[in-house]
Amino acid sequence: GDSVTQMEGPVTLSEEAFLTINCTYTATGYPSLFWYVQYPGEGLQLLLKATKADDKGSNKGFEATYRKETTSFHLEKGSVQVSDSAVYFCALTSMTGNQFYFGTGTSLTVIP
Amino acid sequence: DADVTQTPRNRITKTGKRIMLECSQTKGHDRMYWYRQDPGLGLRLIYYSFDVKDINKGEISDGYSVSRQAQAKFSLSLESAIPNQTALYFCATRGGQVSSYNEQFFGPGTRLTVL
Repeated sequence: GDSVTQMEGPVTLSEEAFLTINCTYTATGYPSLFWYVQYPGEGLQLLLKATKADDKGSNKGFEATYRKETTSFHLEKGSVQVSDSAVYFCALTSMTGNQFYFGTGTSLTVIP
Repeated sequence: DADVTQTPRNRITKTGKRIMLECSQTKGHDRMYWYRQDPGLGLRLIYYSFDVKDINKGEISDGYSVSRQAQAKFSLSLESAIPNQTALYFCATRGGQVSSYNEQFFGPGTRLTVL
């Protein structure tokens, strides 16, 4: 079945460091891929998405490229800030769009 | 005002008690979902509903039931709560035609503790 495997955390970085959070997926056909962010005490918010191969999703300085050849959707940011401290979830939805499948989440802490 | 609201936000209860968690949305979406979040396990789907007359079990439905009272309301019940149901519960909605492009919108969560 469809699934998402996400880099385990926690991840601790200094401010202005480069961030990569790995995400790979298993799915039939052509799923859509998402990154969600969960700030402390809040629900999940959509960070970015990509709907077809080679699409790049971007938002708030974060980017991820839909790589079908490697079944990956790694999240990157060139210079993290303290305010980026949160839990990040990779997710996919199947071609039928009925369900979402989430990774286990990666906790990021950015220290000044 | 928030588009997806959940009540209560926090609840402490005892083993064996019946608990209802409520979700309301103003987004006009047909599809609604209940998830639980546990550390290290991510989000797991409990139940989902595509309209008032459609209810589907998710990955971990045992010990839970749901009611879709209206398009805007989707309630989750624990008939007899047990300690391993202690978790953070999220409601989510999704709109539009059946499409792989649309994202889910989440409520703020309900933290449930079963003693």
